[in-house]
Amino acid sequence: KQEVTQIPAALSVPEGENLVLNCSFTDSAIYNLQWFRQDPGKGLTSLLLIQSSQREQTSGRLNASLDKSSGRSTLYIAASQPGDSATYLCAVDWRAETSGSRLTFGEGTQLTVNP
Amino acid sequence: NAGVTQTPKFQVLKTGQSMTLQCAQDMNHEYMSWYRQDPGMGLRLIHYSVGAGITDQGEVPNGYNVSRSTTEDFPLRLLSAAPSQTSVYFCASTSGGPSYEQYFGPGTRLTVT
Repeated sequence: KQEVTQIPAALSVPEGENLVLNCSFTDSAIYNLQWFRQDPGKGLTSLLLIQSSQREQTSGRLNASLDKSSGRSTLYIAASQPGDSATYLCAVDWRAETSGSRLTFGEGTQLTVNP
Repeated sequence: NAGVTQTPKFQVLKTGQSMTLQCAQDMNHEYMSWYRQDPGMGLRLIHYSVGAGITDQGEVPNGYNVSRSTTEDFPLRLLSAAPSQTSVYFCASTSGGPSYEQYFGPGTRLTVT
């Protein structure tokens, strides 16, 4: 079964710290992997998308890496700020030609950045 | 562009009632999907569509119907609401290749009593 796991479920850090969120997946034949941010009571905001042929993507203080052979992705957040507090979701697309894009989500890591 | 829009934002139903959750996108995306989000279970795929007139079941389709008569709209129908359908529902649309990036609506919070 194709599954996505995120560890830890919750993380609390002081402001300014660099941190890494982890995502693992069971089947390495992925099409792409997306990282999302979700604020309480809100929808999902796409942060970064890594295609299967890519190793990493960067946006501002965020860097996402992909290692298909080990079934892992990491989201690195540099110089964390209280505004980064949110739940971060990892989602894998094992896209098939007939089914289009169907994301399988991890349960997320709830991040709290303390001032 | 409004992106992906969903209505209503909140809804309370009684067991056995039916209703339709609306979803629309203005990005001309072929692919659209419905997910539900429950505590401890993450987001799970209910139904999806790869184009107008084409729909298929996801992981948790029971109790829900969909249709796709236009590219823009993808409504989700609850046939006879049950307390187990209390959840937050998200609609998403997917851009074309090669990235196939998914964009999500703001969600509908549904409570069934």
